[in-house]
Amino acid sequence: NAGVTQTPKFRVLKTGQSMTLLCAQDMNHEYMYWYRQDPGMGLRLIHYSVGEGTTAKGEVPDGYNVSRLKKQNFLLGLESAAPSQTSVYFCASRPEWRGINTYEQYFGPGTRLTVT
Amino acid sequence: GNSVTQMEGPVTLSEEAFLTINCTYTATGYPSLFWYVQYPGEGLQLLLKATKADDKGSNKGFEATYRKETTSFHLEKGSVQVSDSAVYFCALSALGFQKLVFGTGTRLLVSP
Repeated sequence: NAGVTQTPKFRVLKTGQSMTLLCAQDMNHEYMYWYRQDPGMGLRLIHYSVGEGTTAKGEVPDGYNVSRLKKQNFLLGLESAAPSQTSVYFCASRPEWRGINTYEQYFGPGTRLTVT
Repeated sequence: GNSVTQMEGPVTLSEEAFLTINCTYTATGYPSLFWYVQYPGEGLQLLLKATKADDKGSNKGFEATYRKETTSFHLEKGSVQVSDSAVYFCALSALGFQKLVFGTGTRLLVSP
């Protein structure tokens, strides 16, 4: 049981390049999330999904797109990378709400992205 | 809107010292409150939680009490260890638990 995994772990992009970050979970969770972590700003929600085939915007969605074609995968895309997107990206997942003990989010190890 | 405010770090302590990390929140309704911990190079892990007023969450010697009257959820530990060095995030639930709102994080450094 690997939990939440993220690919790649590190990446350097030039301004204007595109890339896709992959998040995979093997816990059969309904909900998945993409966050970015920046110094002094904590974690900010980019996009999230409440089930296969669904996506919704979070707090800072501009410049990113997402897709959830399979329940276990949640992809985050940067179509034209900008230096402001230099950050550490975390994926998380959570089971469907079935009461107080099912709200915990499980996090992946993160992807460090640098845009030059 | 919903927001979480944490004390700025880093917090630097010697081993066996008492720890307090302050957290206050603003929320509509009755959120649940959480402390997450991030060890170096890793993702976040849930440390403890409290789901209603006056609840005390506890885990690994850490405690926090949900104080509705002061809108606070301060993290405490009686005797810290070097292995507790990490970044601690306070968070609250929003939108029926669909989302978490995080504070900015507080780095704790414990020296031997």
